[in-house]
Amino acid sequence: AQSVTQLDSQVPVFEEAPVELRCNYSSSVSVYLFWYVQYPNQGLQLLLKYLSGSTLVKSINGFEAEFNKSQTSFHLRKPSVHISDTAEYFCAVSDQGAQKLVFGQGTRLTINP
Amino acid sequence: DAGVIQSPRHEVTEMGQEVTLRCKPISGHNSLFWYRQTMMRGLELLIYFNNNVPIDDSGMPEDRFSAKMPNASFSTLKIQPSEPRDSAVYFCASSPLSSSYNEQFFGPGTRLTVL
Repeated sequence: AQSVTQLDSQVPVFEEAPVELRCNYSSSVSVYLFWYVQYPNQGLQLLLKYLSGSTLVKSINGFEAEFNKSQTSFHLRKPSVHISDTAEYFCAVSDQGAQKLVFGQGTRLTINP
Repeated sequence: DAGVIQSPRHEVTEMGQEVTLRCKPISGHNSLFWYRQTMMRGLELLIYFNNNVPIDDSGMPEDRFSAKMPNASFSTLKIQPSEPRDSAVYFCASSPLSSSYNEQFFGPGTRLTVL
């Protein structure tokens, strides 16, 4: 069975500092990987995805994630965070071609001025 | 464009009462998912439909929970009778079945409190 582990439940950082949110997954088959973001009192929104090809994927607001098959990881990074990045971030995995997503427990990113 | 619409946004009820949560997916999307989010268990898939047909309900916690999708633009999740441990945020999400990857579009959620 698939599972996703987000190693940090909370990550506090200062504004303009770099951040890395860690995600590891377990699966016996080829996968698609996703990061979703949940702003306060809202539903989840897709931030970025890895389907195939380049292992480094980027979002429009400066986040990037790298698929590492040997380490079964898909860590999310941003070189300089902004107050507006305060949110909860969820890593998710699905089998290629499958509809079901398995989500991690989430990492709450808090930006301090 | 309207996103996924859920109602009510907040529901407070007493143990033993019936609760009905509603969802309108994005027009043209033919897959619909119901999730439950709690602090203890995170985000759990309860059930999903393709073309109004339930495909996988293995996440439905027990018989007190039921979900229907009578047409392409409406789905309900019902809890009868409700219990305090059902308190959670319930999300509905939709996606186009034809997509090559599983981008799901989430509604704002219904925060359910069972007293």
